Amino acid sequence: DIQMTQSPSSLSASVGDRVTFTCRASQSISSYLNWYQQKLGKAPKLLIYAASSLQSGVPSRFSGSGSGTDFTLTISSLQPEDFATYYCQQSYTTPFTFGPGTKVDIK
Amino acid sequence: EVQLVESGGGLVKPGGSLRLSCGVSGFTFSSYSMNWVRQAPGKGLEWVSSISSSSSYIYYADSVKGRFTISRDNAKNSLYLQMNSLRAEDTAVYYCARTSRSGYYFDYWGQGTLVTVSS
Repeated sequence: DIQMTQSPSSLSASVGDRVTFTCRASQSISSYLNWYQQKLGKAPKLLIYAASSLQSGVPSRFSGSGSGTDFTLTISSLQPEDFATYYCQQSYTTPFTFGPGTKVDIK
Repeated sequence: EVQLVESGGGLVKPGGSLRLSCGVSGFTFSSYSMNWVRQAPGKGLEWVSSISSSSSYIYYADSVKGRFTISRDNAKNSLYLQMNSLRAEDTAVYYCARTSRSGYYFDYWGQGTLVTVSS
C-alpha cells in the first residue's frame, strides 16, 4: 500500500498569513494527489485535484503543486473560514490512502 | 444540486450487522463510481470501498475485506454498504462520496452517518 505522510501535523497562523503544508507519498504517484478541507463536524470538501487543479468554486488563494512523491498545498492569505484540517489523498491506486491531516488553527 | 444523504447508522453490538444506504440526487447516478470513506472519532479519513458505475469493479480496504459488501441500485439512485461481523474499531462516521468523471478524486460527499459498535 502507498503510505501518505503530511507535515506539519498542526500549525498556528494568523489571518492574512501565507501558509504551506506538505504531503509525501511512499512511492511515486505521478500527479494523482488530491487535497480536501474538513471543518469540525462537517464532511470533507475537495479543494485541489490532480495535484494542482483548483476545484470549481474554491477560492484562488488555494493552490497546489508537486508530482511524484512530494506535494504542497499553499494558502496565499489565510482567511477566518480556512481554519480547518487539510488532508491529502492519493488516487493512483487502491487503497486510496489519505494522509493523517494538518490542522490549522488560530494563533 | 448534487446531494448525497447517508442513513442506517446506529448502535450495534460487536459481531452484529448493519446496512448503510446513500441516496443521491442532482446527477445521473448510473454514470459515476461511488465510494465509502469512514472517520473514527477524533481520527483521520480512511477509504473503505469503491464500486464502479455498473458494479463491474469493486474494491475494499484490507481492514473490511470479507466483512463488508458494497453494492448499488442504479434504478433507485442508491448506494449501500452491508457491514457484518462488526468490531469496536469499525466505530466511525461513514461518508459516501462520488468519484469524479475523470475517475481520480472524490468531488461530492454526504454528511455522514455514525456507526457505533459497542456492547
